Amino acid sequence: GAVVSQHPSRVICKSGTSVKIECRSLDFQATTMFWYRQFPKQSLMLMATSNEGSKATYEQGVEKDKFLINHASLTLSTLTVTSAHPEDSSFYICSASSVGALRETQYFGPGTRLLVL
Amino acid sequence: AQSVTQPDIHITVSEGASLELRCNYSYGATPYLFWYVQSPGQGLQLLLKYFSGDTLVQGIKGFEAEFKRSQSSFNLRKPSVHWSDAAEYFCAVQYGNKLVFGAGTILRVKS
Repeated sequence: GAVVSQHPSRVICKSGTSVKIECRSLDFQATTMFWYRQFPKQSLMLMATSNEGSKATYEQGVEKDKFLINHASLTLSTLTVTSAHPEDSSFYICSASSVGALRETQYFGPGTRLLVL
Repeated sequence: AQSVTQPDIHITVSEGASLELRCNYSYGATPYLFWYVQSPGQGLQLLLKYFSGDTLVQGIKGFEAEFKRSQSSFNLRKPSVHWSDAAEYFCAVQYGNKLVFGAGTILRVKS
């Protein structure tokens, strides 16, 4: 149980294009999903928290117009990197938790490697 | 502010030897603590978590961790390391519904 998938696992795109990453909870309903970014040899940094049916809450320093998050259903959240640039190249990981209560555990997806040329 | 410190960036142990990965946290209230493991190019897998109760927590793959409030620590241990345990390990503290991660410790296992 508690499986989270991400698609694609790897994407290469040209500078200036937009890329969409999907995060799905496969066997539970995720009222809250989280998007993280991980630079090489660094820890995970929370980018934003999204609750189903409402606007995402972005962490300080994260451009909400550049990183569009949609959480349209209880099993799917998407992150769209708009007008991607080489500095957006990174490993993006989503996680999901149910109910959204304090003690709910976050289950992580396998990550998406983005390379912007 | 909430923070997590993992003082060891790299640790190398021999296969079959015991392991302890250190984690210290800074959090004003009762902490909810986690250990995750990440293999190269992969997402994070939950090893164990502490919410309350018994301060010695058992996890998957033979790992355990002990919560020590007086030392603000939540160290991860394993009595006998296997080569497949080589990975990066992250300690995290939860506040509200957010996780704050430590910088991670890379474990290398030598045969």
